[in-house]
Amino acid sequence: DGGITQSPKYLFRKEGQNVTLSCEQNLNHDAMYWYRQDPGQGLRLIYYSQIVNDFQKGDIAEGYSVSREKKESFPLTVTSAQKNPTAFYLCASKRTDPYNEQFFGPGTRLTVL
Amino acid sequence: AQSVSQHNHHVILSEAASLELGCNYSYGGTVNLFWYVQYPGQHLQLLLKYFSGDPLVKGIKGFEAEFIKSKFSFNLRKPSVQWSDTAEYFCAVTQGGKLIFGQGTELSVKP
Repeated sequence: DGGITQSPKYLFRKEGQNVTLSCEQNLNHDAMYWYRQDPGQGLRLIYYSQIVNDFQKGDIAEGYSVSREKKESFPLTVTSAQKNPTAFYLCASKRTDPYNEQFFGPGTRLTVL
Repeated sequence: AQSVSQHNHHVILSEAASLELGCNYSYGGTVNLFWYVQYPGQHLQLLLKYFSGDPLVKGIKGFEAEFIKSKFSFNLRKPSVQWSDTAEYFCAVTQGGKLIFGQGTELSVKP
């Protein structure tokens, strides 16, 4: 059963702690993406990676970091430098063929207390 | 830079009413256009997409959208909504391998 998994579904952290959100896909997609979803703001791109060992900043990369050591995995670290980290985080993947859409995971809701 | 605007933030309809959600993008040229839907508690999933060809695109669950290049628009329509269409709808446009999303429109359908 192919798809994108994100874990955990809900995550709570204390202010000042770094936290890593997991994203795994078994669709054999080359490109992977991280978005942040806030009410009334749609989805905003944090980071994306079009190939293993390479990634680019999106529109709101400050306070976040990523790695892409394996094709299947694209973890996102929310650092203590992110001023407003409480949000819903979505991971997506896509084939590099431009005529295809992004597929999304179920999301992780992060709450920083 | 490309931007996407969805005019309606929250739409409330009764079952069987017709639906039209507006979407406009800012930058012309060749674009790929998408509508995604997020049902309560579910993954964001694709409703329909436009890459080229017939500007009237049909998607899943009876939805369709019309690409009007001169108006930079890609409005979503459904002739008769159902309670199960209650969800948040996002319009998105490609830019250099990235997707730019609109703010989203929350649709509530009253039974």
